[in-house]
Amino acid sequence: QVQLQESGPGLVKPSETLSLTCTVSGGSMSNYYWSWIRQPPGKGLEWIGYVYDSGSTNYNPSLKSRVTISVDMSKNQFSLNLSSVTAADTAVYYCARAIYYYGSGRHLDYWGQGTLVTVSS
Amino acid sequence: DIQMTQSPSSLSASVGDRVTITCRASQSISTYLNWYQQKPGEAPKFLIYGASTLQSGVPSRFSGSGSGTDFTLTISSLQAEDFATYYCQQSYSTVMYTFGQGTKLEIK
Repeated sequence: QVQLQESGPGLVKPSETLSLTCTVSGGSMSNYYWSWIRQPPGKGLEWIGYVYDSGSTNYNPSLKSRVTISVDMSKNQFSLNLSSVTAADTAVYYCARAIYYYGSGRHLDYWGQGTLVTVSS
Repeated sequence: DIQMTQSPSSLSASVGDRVTITCRASQSISTYLNWYQQKPGEAPKFLIYGASTLQSGVPSRFSGSGSGTDFTLTISSLQAEDFATYYCQQSYSTVMYTFGQGTKLEIK
């Protein structure tokens, strides 16, 4: 059974960089798209971006200038860096695995439990 | 960007009811539509891909349909564990994966 676990600081100061890591266990990281999604308190889901096993990435255009997602296959981990954060970046951050099926695109089949990151001084 | 709009935003129903949630895309997305269920304090759970194919392990009372711009998620006979928030998500655009705003299904 594939499991994902987010880790990182729960509190980040405004203007600093939010850094999270997702550790994947129970399965290979090859041939999947490793994704980050966030959810502000009481609000809906926002896709942040993904990294493929090759290291290629795709980001939400609204966050692209501040986001970097990377993968370390040797450690079974992938990471999120979000720079210049503000209070609007306060959210539960989820990591997830996306799988591609021909004819139906990618869907997020396994998710981490999520981690709340608060941006505050 | 492809926008996804769900209706209603919230819905009250009773155990045993048949419930339908609608998701509309701002442009045609063929059947590149996924559905997720989220309970309070939990991560979303993947339910349906390709508009109508149930993920393994998802009860058969859940079904999805639609193509193009209009899609539905139907729960044929609501169970207590089905009260949650449901999100649609388009996977047509490879640049941006958009979620609907969610539909909160509450107990009447």
